[in-house]
Amino acid sequence: LAKTTQPISMDSYEGQEVNITCSHNNIATNDYITWYQQFPSQGPRFIIQGYKTKVTNEVASLFIPADRKSSTLSLPRVSLSDTAVYYCLVAFNQAGTALIFGKGTTLSVSS
Amino acid sequence: EAQVTQNPRYLITVTGKKLTVTCSQNMNHEYMSWYRQDPGLGLRQIYYSMNVEVTDKGDVPEGYKVSRKEKRNFPLILESPSPNQTSLYFCASSPLGGGSYEQYFGPGTRLTVT
Repeated sequence: LAKTTQPISMDSYEGQEVNITCSHNNIATNDYITWYQQFPSQGPRFIIQGYKTKVTNEVASLFIPADRKSSTLSLPRVSLSDTAVYYCLVAFNQAGTALIFGKGTTLSVSS
Repeated sequence: EAQVTQNPRYLITVTGKKLTVTCSQNMNHEYMSWYRQDPGLGLRQIYYSMNVEVTDKGDVPEGYKVSRKEKRNFPLILESPSPNQTSLYFCASSPLGGGSYEQYFGPGTRLTVT
């Protein structure tokens, strides 16, 4: 059974780059690793996903090593509005349909 | 507007009284899923469905039932709720295929079982 591990919390200041790493073993070999952001009283919101190497979009980058046993979400120049909980998501069956979230990393950004 | 809706948003009930939480999506997504969120435990998958009449257990299915009779609807049924099912529940949907998990989440249903 796949298991994911993330830091419980991280602190940062506005303008800094933040990197959050998720470790995941036994994940499905053909599926994406996905990251979500969640604000209080809201459902999670998709941020980025990738299969291997590096993916970048307008809000974040995702780094995945060749062994796919971890992934790192990188948030460039965070602002106060990036204060939220961040989750990694992987599949734990080879069909890629049963999903497991990490327990989440609470990011606090201060001015 | 593309969205996932859940009803009710808040529910307080008593042990053993059957209840249903509805979930509906208007994006024609094949994949739908239910999660519960508890402090310190994050989001855990209860059940998921890959298409009409196709459902399967997630990580924590005990005490729950689901059905998928139509593509847009995926109700969560608690036939005999217990206090340990007090939680925040989310429904989500996504298109299926390609190993992608870009899910769209509903606003959540906060359930309290006394």
